[in-house]
Amino acid sequence: DTEVTQTPKHLVMGMTNKKSLKCEQHMGHRAMYWYKQKAKKPPELMFVYSYEKLSINESVPSRFSPECPNSSLLNLHLHALQPEDSALYLCASSQDPRGSYNSPLHFGNGTRLTVT
Amino acid sequence: AQKITQTQPGMFVQEKEAVTLDCTYDTSDPSYGLFWYKQPSSGEMIFLIYQGSYDQQNATEGRYSLNFQKARKSANLVISASQLGDSAMYFCAMREVFTGANSKLTFGKGITLSVRP
Repeated sequence: DTEVTQTPKHLVMGMTNKKSLKCEQHMGHRAMYWYKQKAKKPPELMFVYSYEKLSINESVPSRFSPECPNSSLLNLHLHALQPEDSALYLCASSQDPRGSYNSPLHFGNGTRLTVT
Repeated sequence: AQKITQTQPGMFVQEKEAVTLDCTYDTSDPSYGLFWYKQPSSGEMIFLIYQGSYDQQNATEGRYSLNFQKARKSANLVISASQLGDSAMYFCAMREVFTGANSKLTFGKGITLSVRP
């Protein structure tokens, strides 16, 4: 079983809706990530939080808004999405964000998002 | 330029046989880590194995081993005694320390492995 929990597993939303994706980890990791993955493609990094502060934003449109309320939780708020935003959204965490190149990312099972 | 290259479009292997999935990488950073992940059709991304740039020995984890050839910048994954449950997409990935943002994990395009009974 994965130690990173994502909810919901599936989400269908209209372009005018507001929804949130949630991610939780209890491994004491201090770096958390959001990735977007299209079918048969590699994951694309969206955001990185390091010690609860946003450290990387990969030029993601403002209709995606991340939030890290504490070291265990990561949210992704969605508003006014487009159909092309339909994808698998993966949350991940890693032990030490300070240049730990030997620290693997641990991923959740993802949220399959469909925008209609 | 691509940092991680996985050129095999799709691989097939007979159950119980071994298979090698290729990965080459490009970095000028002396310190880096190489990772392999498995992604079944259900979507979860499963960490399999890690190799550090300074590691003298090839990494092994159960049926997974990594054939690390630093001079050639290759880090091929070897799966021994393939099982039907090994059918999935496999991603090679790299983290660097000094170049770029050190928190980023860069993925290759992935390889689809199908295990035949």
